[in-house]
Parts: sequence; structure tokens; C-alpha cells
Amino acid sequence: QMQLQESGPGLVKPSETLSLTCTVSGGSISSSSYYWGWIRQPPGKGMEWIGSIYYSGGTYCNPSLKSRVTISVDTSKNQFSLNLSFVTAADTAVFYCARFSTAMVVFDYWGQGTLVTVSS
Amino acid sequence: QSALTQPASVSGSPGQSITISCTGTSSDVGNYNLVSWYQQHPGKAPKLMIYEVSKRPSGVSNRFSGSKSGNTASLTISGLQAEDEADYYCCSYAGSSTYVFGTGTKVTVL
Repeated sequence: QMQLQESGPGLVKPSETLSLTCTVSGGSISSSSYYWGWIRQPPGKGMEWIGSIYYSGGTYCNPSLKSRVTISVDTSKNQFSLNLSFVTAADTAVFYCARFSTAMVVFDYWGQGTLVTVSS
Repeated sequence: QSALTQPASVSGSPGQSITISCTGTSSDVGNYNLVSWYQQHPGKAPKLMIYEVSKRPSGVSNRFSGSKSGNTASLTISGLQAEDEADYYCCSYAGSSTYVFGTGTKVTVL
């Protein structure tokens, strides 16, 4: 059964870099049929696509966040990661990692999400 | 890239049908038949309900259906049940391998 699990600090200081890792189990991150993505949801608000990565390293990012976002993949660990730099309080959100199916063009499996708060 | 517009809330009585709209632009919803819908219960991860405008993944009730006209996509829930009370989000391909979500709709079963 495909499972994704986010991990990383729950508290980040303003102007610092938020770093999260998603561990994939129940399947290979190196499958040619999927991308792997990050989505965030500020408390009480809607969702925002952050970006996606292919196992070979190709990435696509939300234009509004592109200058601050780095997404990377480690196929040996079946993990992919998100770095969001120069964070502010507005970046406080639940961050989800998810599998993106190229066949269905959807995020079909999601992690449970992790809350990251930006505060000094 | 602006969020797709959804009504903040929609409500209905058990057994009724409700429809949630998702309005975008000719750069996203209007240009691609790649709209999906997700159901999210409080504190839970989103669950895929509809993809490619009107297709249902295996295991999703046929009470859920999707459609699109121009720049607006819609999700209809027929035979509303208490378990359908949740937040619903649309999502559309927006070109250049980018995606945009809707603002979200809270469905209340009266």
C-alpha cells in the first residue's frame, strides 16, 4: 500500500529556511508513471500547489514561489524534499507531500500533512 | 496564477443534490479537461473524488459527478449523506506543468 510521510521541524524562525522530507513506502519513487509533489494549506484556508519533481530530478514550481523553492529527490532513500527559503509568518501552513499520477493528472496519494509554524 | 473561485459554503438536506462550482479562466479550467476534485474531512488528508472533469476513481461513490462548461467546472453530490459533510477543493492544470487549486467549499448537511 502506497504511503507517504512528511517529516521536519514544526517551528521555523522568520527569514530562515523551511526544510521538509517526504518518505515514500509501498512503491518506488523511481517509477516513470509518477511525479512527487508538495502542497500547502495555511490554517483555515485553501490549498496551494508548491511544486513537483520527477525521479530524474526535473522540477516544476508554482511561479509565485519559484524564487524561494528548491525540491530535490533521493532515489536511494525513496525520499524527496522541500526547501522554502526566507520564510515569513505567511508561510505557516500544513504541508502535504503527494504522489502525482501522470496518467490521471491528479495527486492520488497524500501524506497526512505536517504543520510548520513560522515564528520567532 | 490565481486560485480558482469556489463558493465558501454550500448546504443541503440528506437525500438532496448539491452542486459546487469552480470558476477559473481560459488559461486553466477553460483550456484543459484536467479538472479534479478532492474531499477533505477536518484534520485529514485530501481524497481524490473526480479526475479529468468527470471520471471517478475506483471506490468513489457514483453519487459524485463532475462536469464543465467554459471556464467553470462543477461537482454534484446526489443523495446527500451525513458523511459527505467536508471541504471540497477543485484543482486544474494551468499549463507549463503547473497546477492551481480552488479556494475551497465547505459542504454542510443540514
